[in-house]
Amino acid sequence: NAGVTQTPKFQVLKTGQSMTLQCAQDMNHEYMSWYRQDPGMGLRLIHYSVGAGITDQGEVPNGYNVSRSTTEDFPLRLLSAAPSQTSVYFCASSYSRVGSPLHFGNGTRLTVT
Amino acid sequence: EDQVTQSPEALRLQEGESSSLNCSYTVSGLRGLFWYRQDPGKGPEFLFTLYSAGEEKEKERLKATLTKKESFLHITAPKPEDSATYLCAVQASTQGGSEKLVFGKGTKLTVNP
Repeated sequence: NAGVTQTPKFQVLKTGQSMTLQCAQDMNHEYMSWYRQDPGMGLRLIHYSVGAGITDQGEVPNGYNVSRSTTEDFPLRLLSAAPSQTSVYFCASSYSRVGSPLHFGNGTRLTVT
Repeated sequence: EDQVTQSPEALRLQEGESSSLNCSYTVSGLRGLFWYRQDPGKGPEFLFTLYSAGEEKEKERLKATLTKKESFLHITAPKPEDSATYLCAVQASTQGGSEKLVFGKGTKLTVNP
């Protein structure tokens, strides 16, 4: 099992460009989520999904969109990149939203210039 | 406001020198406390879940304990390969009846040979 796979590993964007960060899991987990990790801060939740067709906002959703058409995939879209979105992005999945540990991908390091 | 505070921010140990990392929290309605290990350039890796005060979990040189206000991650006779950042996350019920997962900023552990 691959677990949670994120692509790309690194990305550089110019301000105003858009892109999609890909995330796929092969554990049949219903719950998937996106976090960003910035120096000196804890992981912050961007968006999450409790199942195919269901998404909701987390703590820092502005500037990001998500969709969940299948159980396996949960892409994160940056609509118009800004330097404040320079960060490391992690996708995570778990069996359920409550009480289950998260399984993380290895992240995408995004730089917006 | 729900808070999770980890201390110290950084810890340097000699190989074999046992110590403890602390995770203190101020949340109501604790649903679970999670410990993760994060290596540079990787996503967090799940270590333990604790659900109630008095609970303890062990894995190799690591032992996690939980009280009503804090959790400790005890490291016995650490080895250089234990060097990593250790993250604590607390899941709690909110006043609105939903669940929230709050991450601490982590403790960076370095074990020198």
